[in-house]
Amino acid sequence: GQQVMQIPQYQHVQEGEDFTTYCNSSTTLSNIQWYKQRPGGHPVFLIQLVKSGEVKKQKRLTFQFGEAKKNSSLHITATQTTDVGTYFCAGAVEAGNNRKLIWGLGTSLAVNP
Amino acid sequence: DAGITQSPRYKITETGRQVTLMCHQTWSHSYMFWYRQDLGHGLRLIYYSAAADITDKGEVPDGYVVSRSKTENFPLTLESATRSQTSVYFCASSSGLSGYTFGSGTRLTVV
Repeated sequence: GQQVMQIPQYQHVQEGEDFTTYCNSSTTLSNIQWYKQRPGGHPVFLIQLVKSGEVKKQKRLTFQFGEAKKNSSLHITATQTTDVGTYFCAGAVEAGNNRKLIWGLGTSLAVNP
Repeated sequence: DAGITQSPRYKITETGRQVTLMCHQTWSHSYMFWYRQDLGHGLRLIYYSAAADITDKGEVPDGYVVSRSKTENFPLTLESATRSQTSVYFCASSSGLSGYTFGSGTRLTVV
């Protein structure tokens, strides 16, 4: 079936180091979304990428959507303790409708101060 | 305030009991979803609704019932709770064009 693989599962970094998580889909996606979940919290929507090869930035976070629209990455520059949490990608498979999302299992980020 | 609220935040119930988790959104979003989150399984879709009176099964619907008589409410009922339904339950809403807005979750323990 359709699935989204997300790696790594866990990542420990020192504060100030960079961090990247990757998502790979078994199927072409119409868009991909990224969410952050703080420990004990709920997923919070970060961004949606729609176009092939799209790159978007939010301060220290850089999101990329692959040319084939089957993979994506989230890169955090110079991590801070506030970046701690689990980052999920979720791919939409229906064009123009996010009714059905395929979720990755998430990457848990720990930041040592 | 606009948003999505879930209640209760925590619930302990006994095996075999019926329990209902509530979800209310003020965004007027067409779509609403129920997910459960368990270690090692990520977010799994239980049920979703595209509009009032329209619901559909997700990935793990067995043992759950939903209804959506009004656009803003989407309650989830466990008909006869089992220990395997111990989990964190998240309700979410969406316009269908952008990201999901999640509620704060209900942590359910079935003993």
